[in-house]
Amino acid sequence: AQTVTQSQPEMSVQEAETVTLSCTYDTSESDYYLFWYKQPPSRQMILVIRQEAYKQQNATENRFSVNFQKAAKSFSLKISDSQLGDAAMYFCAYNGNKLVFGAGTILRVKS
Amino acid sequence: ETGVTQTPRHLVMGMTNKKSLKCEQHLGHNAMYWYKQSAKKPLELMFVYNFKEQTENNSVPSRFSPECPNSSHLFLHLHTLQPEDSALYLCASSPTGHRSGNTIYFGEGSWLTVV
Repeated sequence: AQTVTQSQPEMSVQEAETVTLSCTYDTSESDYYLFWYKQPPSRQMILVIRQEAYKQQNATENRFSVNFQKAAKSFSLKISDSQLGDAAMYFCAYNGNKLVFGAGTILRVKS
Repeated sequence: ETGVTQTPRHLVMGMTNKKSLKCEQHLGHNAMYWYKQSAKKPLELMFVYNFKEQTENNSVPSRFSPECPNSSHLFLHLHTLQPEDSALYLCASSPTGHRSGNTIYFGEGSWLTVV
């Protein structure tokens, strides 16, 4: 069965600094997708970034980028120039035969 | 503004009550989902509907009864719930089923408290 592990329950970053959230997954599938979702206090889950496993190039969306290491089954999220609005719960998700979410990482941004 | 709208946003119900959660999506998607989010637990997929047909039921107790009259609407009927069912219930949609790698779009959730 596929599993997604987010080993950091909570992270803090200073405004304008960079932070990396880690995610590892376990699967025997070769074709799948990976996502990072953000859940702010409003509770609506919002897609941050999406990565297709067959693409070697790391996905990037403005200040958000991923470090996708397929062999290591690692999919970390880097947030550059952190802003107060980035404070939220971040979920890593694996989408292959099933969609599986990690337990989440709370990100706090200090001003 | 979200393409997936859930009502009510907050619901308090007794264990003997019958209530329903409603979800509507305005994105033209064909797949809809119910998720349960409890404190200190990963997001749990409950039901999946694809083109109005239920394609997944993750061993959800029968006191939760989903209904999908069309691709735009999804209901979760609740009856004789337990206090441990108190949680945030998230509705979501995607163009087709999630196995195709589609991005899933979520609503803002319905907070349910069972007293």
